Amino acid sequence: DAKTTQPTSMDCAEGRAANLPCNHSTISGNEYVYWYRQIHSQGPQYIIHGLKNNETNEMASLIITEDRKSSTLILPHATLRDTAVYYCIVRVDYRNDMRFGAGTRLTVKP
Amino acid sequence: DTAVSQTPKYLVTQMGNDKSIKCEQNLGHDTMYWYKQDSKKFLKIMFSYNNKELIINETVPNRFSPKSPDKAHLNLHINSLELGDSAVYFCASRQGEIGNTIYFGEGSWLTVV
Repeated sequence: DAKTTQPTSMDCAEGRAANLPCNHSTISGNEYVYWYRQIHSQGPQYIIHGLKNNETNEMASLIITEDRKSSTLILPHATLRDTAVYYCIVRVDYRNDMRFGAGTRLTVKP
Repeated sequence: DTAVSQTPKYLVTQMGNDKSIKCEQNLGHDTMYWYKQDSKKFLKIMFSYNNKELIINETVPNRFSPKSPDKAHLNLHINSLELGDSAVYFCASRQGEIGNTIYFGEGSWLTVV
C-alpha cells in the first residue's frame, strides 16, 4: 500500500475554498485515492475517491495529478461545519484495507 | 434508521472485567470491521469479516475476540480489560469490492478505570 503524506493542520476562512493536499509518490497503477473526514467525536465519513480522473460530487472535488503522485481535495465553499480531520488514503490490497494516517486537521474560521 | 449502529455508546468499567460492544448494519453489506482510535487519535484497523469469515486480524491481543453471528452483526468481546484498552471503538461495513465505500458507526467510548 502506498503511503500518504499530508500537512498536520490547515486553516481556512469561512466561505473560501479549502484545498487539502496529499502526496502519494509511491502509488501503484491500480490503487485508488480515497478521502474521508472525521468531525469531532463522530465516525469517519466518506467524501470522495478517484483513480486517474478528477472527480466531483456534492461534497467536494478531487484533483489528481497526471503522474498520480499527489492529489488535492477541494471544498469549494468551506463552512464552520467542515472543521474536521481529513484523511487521504490509497489502497487496493485487502490486507491493507482502509488504513488511516494522521490526516490534516482543517479549521474553518469565521 | 442508522446504517451502522453500535451499542453502548459509552462504557466505563473496571480493570479485569469482560465487556462486549455490539454492532449492527442494515445496509446489506457483506464486510464488517472494527477499528480502534486511541488517545493520540490514530485510527487503526483491528479486524475485518467478510460473510462471517475473518479476513483481517491485526496484532491485537487475544483478549479481543470478534464474533459475527450473521452478516449484519459483528460484536467485539474484550476479556480482562486493561487501562490501555481505553479508546473509541468504531464499527464499519462495506459492500462488495475492496474499493467500495466504508461506512462507519458513531463509535463506542470505552474507559477502563
